[in-house]
Amino acid sequence: SAVISQKPSRDICQRGTSLTIQCQVDSQVTMMFWYRQQPGQSLTLIATANQGSEATYESGFVIDKFPISRPNLTFSTLTVSNMSPEDSSIYLCSVRDSGEGYTFGSGTRLTVV
Amino acid sequence: EDQVTQSPEALRLQEGESSSLNCSYTVSGLRGLFWYRQDPGKGPEFLFTLYSAGEEKEKERLKATLTKKESFLHITAPKPEDSATYLCAVNSGNTPLVFGKGTRLSVIA
Repeated sequence: SAVISQKPSRDICQRGTSLTIQCQVDSQVTMMFWYRQQPGQSLTLIATANQGSEATYESGFVIDKFPISRPNLTFSTLTVSNMSPEDSSIYLCSVRDSGEGYTFGSGTRLTVV
Repeated sequence: EDQVTQSPEALRLQEGESSSLNCSYTVSGLRGLFWYRQDPGKGPEFLFTLYSAGEEKEKERLKATLTKKESFLHITAPKPEDSATYLCAVNSGNTPLVFGKGTRLSVIA
């Protein structure tokens, strides 16, 4: 199965600043997915990132707040912009595995103060 | 809109005490139902995919089953290392995965 390296693993940020999260996959994949997991909540899909085209955002998420880059088939970044305490969450990237499931990165635990 | 409801929210078992976790779903055109395990501070770890009613899959002490409305994750003779949050998710159409809130399992020695 695919192996995803996600970083940073955690960060504490000041409100109003931005944080960029990186995901590196050990194989080429067409689509990468970004999720948010708020405390005590389920995983919510933020957007789907395709190489060579703009990301597709889910309802409630906008590009200005969560810009995504996908420069090649093994790498993607998610930026959380102009952060507020409500953005404190775990952010996860994911890919569809060549097997049956979806593989997830280890997550980025973001705390905004 | 696809929906997934997991119960109970939390479950505390004695070591060796078997039990089941429930995942009820509403989806238009199920393409797959997924079970994941998530340890604190880590990303979800894939356990099973089920595709059609009647299907069952096993892995060590875990067995997943599927009906047209729900899935069960049966845990037989659990050990403390089985303590984790278990997540259920469904896949239909073009949406990758819709997750439930999970069941937080604690197994006490």
